[in-house]
Amino acid sequence: NAGVTQTPKFRVLKTGQSMTLLCAQDMNHEYMYWYRQDPGMGLRLIHYSVGEGTTAKGEVPDGYNVSRLKKQNFLLGLESAAPSQTSVYFCASRGPEQYFGPGTRLTVT
Amino acid sequence: EDQVTQSPEALRLQEGESSSLNCSYTVSGLRGLFWYRQDPGKGPEFLFTLYSAGEEKEKERLKATLTKKESFLHITAPKPEDSATYLCAVQSNTNAGKSTFGDGTTLTVKP
Repeated sequence: NAGVTQTPKFRVLKTGQSMTLLCAQDMNHEYMYWYRQDPGMGLRLIHYSVGEGTTAKGEVPDGYNVSRLKKQNFLLGLESAAPSQTSVYFCASRGPEQYFGPGTRLTVT
Repeated sequence: EDQVTQSPEALRLQEGESSSLNCSYTVSGLRGLFWYRQDPGKGPEFLFTLYSAGEEKEKERLKATLTKKESFLHITAPKPEDSATYLCAVQSNTNAGKSTFGDGTTLTVKP
C-alpha cells in the first residue's frame, strides 16, 4: 500500500515548455486534488476531481489543465510554463481522511 | 467564501512548555475541520478531523478542540520532534469536494 505517489519529484523547465505531473493513489478514493504551496501562502487548490472522468476548478486554475481518465490517476498539465508557476505541487486523495503525496518541486526559469 | 486564519504564524517553545495554536474559520455550514502536520520538504500528514462544536480529539501530546468559530490545537509538554508546521483546513456542506486551508503555524520546540 503505497498511498499517494507523485512523479517526478523535481523538475526544471524553461518558460514556454510543457509538462505533465502524475499522481497515483491505491486507496480506491473517489476524491483527488492538486494543490500548490508557495512560501508563506499555504496550500492553494488548483483543480480537483470527485470521481473518474470528472474535474473541477479550484482557487488558482489558470495555466493548468487536469485529467482523471482512471480512478487511481490524476494528471496535472502545464501547457506553457511561466516563472509564476515555480512552486511545490502536492497531490492528495480523500476517503474519510485526506492523504497527501510527497510533492513535486518545479522550477520554471 | 470559506476562510481560515491561523495564529500565530510562528511559535517557539522550550521543551515541556505547553501552548495552543489557533484556527479561526468562517464557513457556510461546517462539514469538517481538519488538522495536519507538515515537516519540511514533505507533504502534510493528517492528524484530526472535528465535525461539531464541543468535539475533542487527542493523539499523544496533541489535543484538538472545536467551537462554532475556531479550533485549538493544544500541545502538552512538547518535545523537539513536535517541531513542524501545523495546518488547519475546513470543508463546507455546500461543497464537500474541497477544503480551504490556512497558512499554518510553524512550531519550533527547543531542547
